[in-house]
Amino acid sequence: DTEVTQTPKHLVMGMTNKKSLKCEQHMGHRAMYWYKQKAKKPPELMFVYSYEKLSINESVPSRFSPECPNSSLLNLHLHALQPEDSALYLCASSQIQLVQRGANTGELFFGEGSRLTVL
Amino acid sequence: AQKITQTQPGMFVQEKEAVTLDCTYDTSDPSYGLFWYKQPSSGEMIFLIYQGSYDQQNATEGRYSLNFQKARKSANLVISASQLGDSAMYFCAMREGRVGSSNTGKLIFGQGTTLQVKP
Repeated sequence: DTEVTQTPKHLVMGMTNKKSLKCEQHMGHRAMYWYKQKAKKPPELMFVYSYEKLSINESVPSRFSPECPNSSLLNLHLHALQPEDSALYLCASSQIQLVQRGANTGELFFGEGSRLTVL
Repeated sequence: AQKITQTQPGMFVQEKEAVTLDCTYDTSDPSYGLFWYKQPSSGEMIFLIYQGSYDQQNATEGRYSLNFQKARKSANLVISASQLGDSAMYFCAMREGRVGSSNTGKLIFGQGTTLQVKP
């Protein structure tokens, strides 16, 4: 079982709806990420949070609003989405502290994703 | 220019045989990390193996090994004794810079290779 939990696993919403995706990890990781993945394509980075602060926003439209309430939780608030926003949204976490070589690969631990369909 | 190139969109392998998935990369940063992830149809990205740019030996993890040829900038994944459960999409990814740098978690993914294991 994955150590990064995402809810809901599936979400269908209209273009006028407001919904949220949730992500939780209890590995003590202080970096958390949102990636977007279209079918048969590689994941694309959306946001990075380091120590609960937004450190990277990859020019994501404002209809996606991330939030990191604490070190274990990451939310993605969705509002006025478009059908082209339909995709698999993957949450991930990792260690970010610099440790001796070989002890920390910077590996990302991914959740199972939330499959979003926008009608 | 593509930073990570996976030239095999799809591969077939007979059960119990070995298979090599190709990955080439391009970076001018002397510090980088290379990852392989497996993504079954369920959607979860499963970490398989990691190779750091300064690692002298090729990484191995169980049935997975990484054929790292630094001068050629290639990091091919070798799966030995293929199993039916190995059928999935496989992504090669790169992190530029050291762990702890601003690029931690900012993985650049290749386009992926779909592997099908035949019984």
